[in-house]
Amino acid sequence: GAVVSQHPSWVICKSGTSVKIECRSLDFQATTMFWYRQFPKQSLMLMATSNEGSKATYEQGVEKDKFLINHASLTLSTLTVTSAHPEDSSFYICSAPRTGTNQPQHFGDGTRLSIL
Amino acid sequence: GQQLNQSPQSMFIQEGEDVSMNCTSSSIFNTWLWYKQDPGEGPVLLIALYKAGELTSNGRLTAQFGITRKDSFLNISASIPSDVGIYFCAGLGGTASKLTFGTGTRLQVTL
Repeated sequence: GAVVSQHPSWVICKSGTSVKIECRSLDFQATTMFWYRQFPKQSLMLMATSNEGSKATYEQGVEKDKFLINHASLTLSTLTVTSAHPEDSSFYICSAPRTGTNQPQHFGDGTRLSIL
Repeated sequence: GQQLNQSPQSMFIQEGEDVSMNCTSSSIFNTWLWYKQDPGEGPVLLIALYKAGELTSNGRLTAQFGITRKDSFLNISASIPSDVGIYFCAGLGGTASKLTFGTGTRLQVTL
């Protein structure tokens, strides 16, 4: 069964709206979670690393003020797309590795974000 | 960001055929992973490889971690319609457990 849960699975909203996406690890604690963005027919691109109890680490070119990440507990990370515009429309996916060295990441089912 | 070179980009095969895809990198990885992604869903882990030279099977799937630690391949034997999807390799290593993804192989299976 799923080990990482992501919610919502689909969002449609008007331009200028802020949208929050949740990522939960279901049966393990995750001190680190990852947020990816995937455009149609492309691979996953890492946006940021979410660290429990500290600031997220953003990849080059990702605006930290645009994509706010909060990792307030060991089982929950949130990504907020602030003042979303049509170009932010994409498939956003989170992942979390189990505790331990070189543990594979388990992915949520993704959130389809459509900005009108 | 960096991506791994994955080939072929797409494959159209008949049910029952075997499939082979591979992934190469200019960097060394400590772990190689293979994922499958169905439309509108997140990637699902198929096989994890932790040691150079390791050959691991999961049902009809077999994957190997290259000796140089810069490549990996995935084989699918006797393909079935539910094998349709996009297969991604991913390398794990370096700082903060970050994954580097391959460009993906889109598999179509015809009856």
